[in-house]
Amino acid sequence: SQTIHQWPATLVQPVGSPLSLECTVEGTSNPNLYWYRQAAGRGLQLLFYSVGIGQISSEVPQNLSASRPQDRQFILSSKKLLLSDSGFYLCAWSVSRAYSPLHFGNGTRLTVT
Amino acid sequence: GDSVTQMEGPVTLSEEAFLTINCTYTATGYPSLFWYVQYPGEGLQLLLKATKADDKGSNKGFEATYRKETTSFHLEKGSVQVSDSAVYFCALSEAGGGADGLTFGKGTHLIIQP
Repeated sequence: SQTIHQWPATLVQPVGSPLSLECTVEGTSNPNLYWYRQAAGRGLQLLFYSVGIGQISSEVPQNLSASRPQDRQFILSSKKLLLSDSGFYLCAWSVSRAYSPLHFGNGTRLTVT
Repeated sequence: GDSVTQMEGPVTLSEEAFLTINCTYTATGYPSLFWYVQYPGEGLQLLLKATKADDKGSNKGFEATYRKETTSFHLEKGSVQVSDSAVYFCALSEAGGGADGLTFGKGTHLIIQP
């Protein structure tokens, strides 16, 4: 069966510090991968998605970047965090087929102080 | 573009009450429809789905029927429990939407009181 791992679960970082969140998927090949952000009390915002190694699409211009160095690895990064980067970050995967549901990791709670 | 509209809540019910969370959608094509549930501090879990008109998705006592004529996918449960307290998201997926994931509603916060 397929599993998705996302870490760390919680993170407290000062303003201006770098960020690296990692997500890996097991049990499937060539998945579509996604990073979402969920601000407190609000809905989901799609940040990045990837259909293959090295292929990244950005939905919202911001202080963040994403990379996919391996087929089942997806990394969310920032060189300098802002207070507004605080939130709940969710990684998800789907099979590369129309109408497929997303399967989410357990999320990372990021607090920028 | 595609969109999903759902009541944001919070919706507060007593245990064993009947639940309805409304969801309506706008899509250019013929989407698949989903309900996700998010428990506090966790990621989203797929609750149920439907892929064509009049399909009924069901799981854990929850049901939703794909109504193309009213572009709706309302979530229902006959008797809620305290453990059902969570945020519920309605979502759609269109083939023509490419690989950019699902279109989500803003989520409905459900609170069940004992």
